[in-house]
Amino acid sequence: EPEVTQTPSHQVTQMGQEVILRCVPISNHLYFYWYRQILGQKVEFLVSFYNNEISEKSEIFDDQFSVERPDGSNFTLKIRSTKLEDSAMYFCASKASNTQETQYFGPGTRLLVL
Amino acid sequence: KNEVEQSPQNLTAQEGEFITINCSYSVGISALHWLQQHPGGGIVSLFMLSSGKKKHGRLIATINIQEKHSSLHITASHPRDSAVYICAVTSYTGANSKLTFGKGITLSVRP
Repeated sequence: EPEVTQTPSHQVTQMGQEVILRCVPISNHLYFYWYRQILGQKVEFLVSFYNNEISEKSEIFDDQFSVERPDGSNFTLKIRSTKLEDSAMYFCASKASNTQETQYFGPGTRLLVL
Repeated sequence: KNEVEQSPQNLTAQEGEFITINCSYSVGISALHWLQQHPGGGIVSLFMLSSGKKKHGRLIATINIQEKHSSLHITASHPRDSAVYICAVTSYTGANSKLTFGKGITLSVRP
């Protein structure tokens, strides 16, 4: 069964460093999302992406964040200058079409900023 | 902005018990989702509902649109059902169909 994959599974970085989190959505899906979950808190929406552009972003998704779909398969989240409070589990999700509401989640990347 | 509330916050049950987890939301939605999160962190979609009731194996999900309330029932619970159960809603279809999540309920089923 097709699945969303994410790499790396864990990443440790120093404050101020750039990180790129990678996702490979299900191949025929058109809508892509990034969510994050700070330890012990609920999952929060970061950004949605469709037709090679951001369709919605949350207040969390400030200028330090960017997303890209560079090659038609990968979907990346970049944090330019990480802060301690960026430590969280980051989930990528995709869905097939605008009539399909189910989103399929990747296993997540656990980011720790020291 | 939709607020999603779940109850109870934590739940412990004995194997075989019938379990009910509740979810309420504040604003009209296009769909409600029940998700399962295991200790490793991965999230799996269990149900997507816009009306009525759905059943999959021992899991049953219902939604009452007028009351803005949904329930997830687990029949004949088993220790492998132990997980965090999360309710999430989408307010729009299409590209802007982001999920708004509840805090989740930690279910522990004892053998």
